Amino acid sequence: GQQLNQSPQSMFIQEGEDVSMNCTSSSIFNTWLWYKQDPGEGPVLLIALYKAGELTSNGRLTAQFGITRKDSFLNISASIPSDVGIYFCAGQLRSNDYKLSFGAGTTVTVRA
Amino acid sequence: GAVVSQHPSRVICKSGTSVKIECRSLDFQATTMFWYRQFPKQSLMLMATSNEGSKATYEQGVEKDKFLINHASLTLSTLTVTSAHPEDSSFYICSAPGLAGLYNEQFFGPGTRLTVL
Repeated sequence: GQQLNQSPQSMFIQEGEDVSMNCTSSSIFNTWLWYKQDPGEGPVLLIALYKAGELTSNGRLTAQFGITRKDSFLNISASIPSDVGIYFCAGQLRSNDYKLSFGAGTTVTVRA
Repeated sequence: GAVVSQHPSRVICKSGTSVKIECRSLDFQATTMFWYRQFPKQSLMLMATSNEGSKATYEQGVEKDKFLINHASLTLSTLTVTSAHPEDSSFYICSAPGLAGLYNEQFFGPGTRLTVL
């Protein structure tokens, strides 16, 4: 699959702090997606982005589809303990092809 | 949202045996399903695309004779790991595209933890 570079690999943050992570690719994606995975579970979709430049929020989460269509970022504001987990970005090359390429993941640990 | 289930949630088997994992779309039909493998502390790697009524398409490097996929109906795909070995131990996750609002999105199953002794 296509290579997505996700950073940072991990982060330790204080409760209440904001979190930011991003993904870049050498390929142009039609759709960018952000998932959260808890241990022993499948990924759960947080935010889906369908248009270049789109900025979308879901509660304390905000994500943007880069204007070049080769990058995306996810922000989590005012982190809480349940934000702990692994966050993955994923890209879909074409609208009629549901194959996803995943980033390596960002592990978030929140200190109370 | 749409729900995808997997069975079993975890399985332990002896080396050399075969293991079947089921993936079901519970409240929608899926002509296509996807199988991923995830090793500890790593990302999801797409193994194959399961197509209802036709052969599965495998990603490069995935042995089709070892990972048999059957898309028996519009709600069921199965992955059989044949002659399993310890290196096949992994977390196997399936997904299916379903309609969510205006767009299709991928719904993931809860995963199956396979341990080969």
